[in-house]
Amino acid sequence: DIVMTQSPDSLAVSPGERATINCKSSRSVLYHSNNKNYVAWYQQRPGQPPKLIIYWASTRESGVPDRFSGSDSGTDFTLTISNLQAEDVAVYYCQQYYSSPWTFGQGTKVEIK
Amino acid sequence: DVQLVESGGGLVQPGGSLRLSCAASGFTFSSNSMSWVRQAPGKGLEWLAYISSISTTIYYADSVRGRFTISRDNAKNSLYLQMNGLRDEDTAVYYCGRSWEVRGSDLDLWGQGTLVTVSS
Repeated sequence: DIVMTQSPDSLAVSPGERATINCKSSRSVLYHSNNKNYVAWYQQRPGQPPKLIIYWASTRESGVPDRFSGSDSGTDFTLTISNLQAEDVAVYYCQQYYSSPWTFGQGTKVEIK
Repeated sequence: DVQLVESGGGLVQPGGSLRLSCAASGFTFSSNSMSWVRQAPGKGLEWLAYISSISTTIYYADSVRGRFTISRDNAKNSLYLQMNGLRDEDTAVYYCGRSWEVRGSDLDLWGQGTLVTVSS
């Protein structure tokens, strides 16, 4: 199974500042036929189901604010939240969907400092 | 509205069975693959099962293979999860999620979840 390891487990960021969450896959999740990394990022606010914010490692889902961005480098993936807003307080999960079983990272809790 | 609504959760004794349903509306259900994901209280997300749009491809997590069965009825716009041999550790909120086969299996639409509690 592919293991997705997120860091840090939690972070506190001041409003308007940047939050950076990392995720590392235990092996490649690059689909060579389309040169896409099959990694998604989800936001889960308290008491809510997860919400997709990024797929293919860096493609923003429709309707997601552009302060959310994803990037990749080999087996390292990053979610960046620029200009952090109060409504961004949530737990963020990465997920690989390259091969079954699809696996999630353990989650990163983002709080306001 | 485009939505998924889970039902069928509840309290069940260890060793018992439950059948979860996920009703889809507002989109062409038969065009999408679907998954079940669960979340134990205070814990992270765990993917459980996947079924392609016409049920030709099915995958399971090791933790539920042989005990849980995913299925769908495209005529009824519904997804199901038959859960047998339930254990204490199956206690969780169960979510269904939609994916687009051309994009892979990222889940772009989730239901609100249904709580399953396994306890004597």
